[in-house]
Amino acid sequence: ETGVTQSPTHLIKTRGQQVTLRCSSQSGHNTVSWYQQALGQGPQFIFQYYREEENGRGNFPPRFSGLQFPNYSSELNVNALELDDSALYLCASSTDTGTLGYEQYFGPGTRLTVT
Amino acid sequence: AQKVTQAQTEISVVEKEDVTLDCVYETRDTTYYLFWYKQPPSGELVFLIRRNSFDEQNEISGRYSWNFQKSTSSFNFTITASQVVDSAVYFCALSEVGNEKLTFGTGTRLTIIP
Repeated sequence: ETGVTQSPTHLIKTRGQQVTLRCSSQSGHNTVSWYQQALGQGPQFIFQYYREEENGRGNFPPRFSGLQFPNYSSELNVNALELDDSALYLCASSTDTGTLGYEQYFGPGTRLTVT
Repeated sequence: AQKVTQAQTEISVVEKEDVTLDCVYETRDTTYYLFWYKQPPSGELVFLIRRNSFDEQNEISGRYSWNFQKSTSSFNFTITASQVVDSAVYFCALSEVGNEKLTFGTGTRLTIIP
């Protein structure tokens, strides 16, 4: 196990609702990245937070937003849920950004189903 | 833009056979990292290896080995004497300079038949 935890494990929401997913990073890690993995696809980068600031964003609309807290845990918020938002959401933590190639430790993911 | 291609969608081999998973990448960066991750049915991505673009030496770790060829932009992964526990989806990934953004391929589902 990596020490990265995510909650909840599974979630079912209705189209148009809002959802918050949570991630606790591995001890000592100050960078958190979020990925969306649709069924049968590879993970897609949503955004990354470094010391509470957004540090890079993928091709996701503004209704995907995030936060990182002083203890480096993080939240992913999705507003106005759409059916295509159904996916496994993965959180990854790592040490200081800017140093190329630190491996990211992934959590077990939250499976979101939008009906 | 960065791109990772894993042309093999699914592979099935009989236990104890060797199997190679292919990965081809595209990037304009001169410095980058390549990764392989394993995703068992539980869903968690398990880190297997990181390779620096400056280091083209092949690497062996137990039954696993990796062949990095910059000239062909390939980073292939071989499992020797496969075991049922190797059954999983395997992802090749490329990291962007600076913010560690990982660009993943679509994955190869490997099934080891007992």
